[in-house]
This record gives sequence, structure tokens and C-alpha cells, in this order.
Amino acid sequence: GENVEQHPSTLSVQEGDSAVIKCTYSDSASNYFPWYKQELGKRPQLIIDIRSNVGEKKDQRIAVTLNKTAKHFSLHITETQPEDSAVYFCAASKTGNQFYFGTGTSLTVIP
Amino acid sequence: KAGVTQTPRYLIKTRGQQVTLSCSPISGHRSVSWYQQTPGQGLQFLFEYFSETQRNKGNFPGRFSGRQFSNSRSEMNVSTLELGDSALYLCASSLEEGAGGYTFGSGTRLTVV
Repeated sequence: GENVEQHPSTLSVQEGDSAVIKCTYSDSASNYFPWYKQELGKRPQLIIDIRSNVGEKKDQRIAVTLNKTAKHFSLHITETQPEDSAVYFCAASKTGNQFYFGTGTSLTVIP
Repeated sequence: KAGVTQTPRYLIKTRGQQVTLSCSPISGHRSVSWYQQTPGQGLQFLFEYFSETQRNKGNFPGRFSGRQFSNSRSEMNVSTLELGDSALYLCASSLEEGAGGYTFGSGTRLTVV
């Protein structure tokens, strides 16, 4: 089956700096890669996603890049704010709605 | 538009008992997936139902089962509970295969003592 690895497990940045979280996947057939944000005690929420026919996608301060050849994708958050502090999960999927999640990155934005 | 609703929110059970968790998806969503979330293992896929049929199943023992009703509501059942089953159980719904990311419910926090 698919194996998704996520790094780093924890990340601290100063407010206003950028944060980058990286994931690798093992199954070249995976074609959909969502990112979820989970605040303490709350449900995971989809923040951005990318499909395998696209190399990059942006939504305001958040961007995701995908390198199919290397089988890795990354989340970029620019101009970080304290409210960006949360756990971020990457995931990969090929068919159906079975997602393989990374182990999460705990992001802390220091005011 | 109501979100994904999971009941109950919290549950305490004794080892050896069984438990049933419920999930009502967003109206119109026919795909319902279940995940177990623990600090050590992260989010692990249990199973997915679509139009009352189990389409995918994760690597969990047979004590974990589920079903989906004609109105797309889903239940999961865990029999002969073990201490290691203590976790947050998340349900997520989606329109259909390949439609995009899930919308998660708030989860059921199960504690086995």
C-alpha cells in the first residue's frame, strides 16, 4: 500500500516568516494530495489540495507544490500568523476515498 | 448546510464491551469514511462506504466493522474492546469518488478502561 512520510514533525517560526512542510509518497499511482489543518480539539479541515496533473497551486498565503518524478509534495505558508499554529497533515490518494495520511507537523508561530 | 455530525462526542467503555458510533454525512454526500486518530499512529483509515457498500477497508482486525444505510448515515462497531482502541474516531464524507477532499466530523472520543 501507499506510505506517506511527513517532515518535520514539529516546526517553530517567527510571526511573518515562512513555513514549509514536506511529504513524500511511495505509490506512483497516487494522484490526489490534500492538506489538512487541525487545531487543538477540533476536526481536521481541508486547506488546499492538488491533483497530479498540476505542479503548483496557490490560495492567498498558502501554496502547494508537487514533484511527481520525485514523489514529493510540499506545503508553503507565507507571512505566518499566530492563528496558523496547528497540526498540519498531508495525504495521498489514488482511487476511491481511501486516503493515506502523513504523521502530522505541529506548527507553532511565535508572535 | 449542516456539516458531518458524529454521535456521541465522548464515550467511556470497559474492556471487553462493544460500542457503536454514528455518523451523519453532509446532505447529498454518499461516501462516508472512518479514521482512527491516535497520538502515536496519526490518522489511520478504517473503511469507506459508498451507497451502502463497503468500497475500501484498512488494515484493522475484524472487531472493527461498519455499515451504511440508505440515507447515507453510517455506523461503526467495535466489539471486544481493548485498551488500545482508545482513540478519536473521525468520520468524513465526500460527494463521490474523486470529488476531492473530505469534510470531517468532530469525532467521537472513545476511552476504554
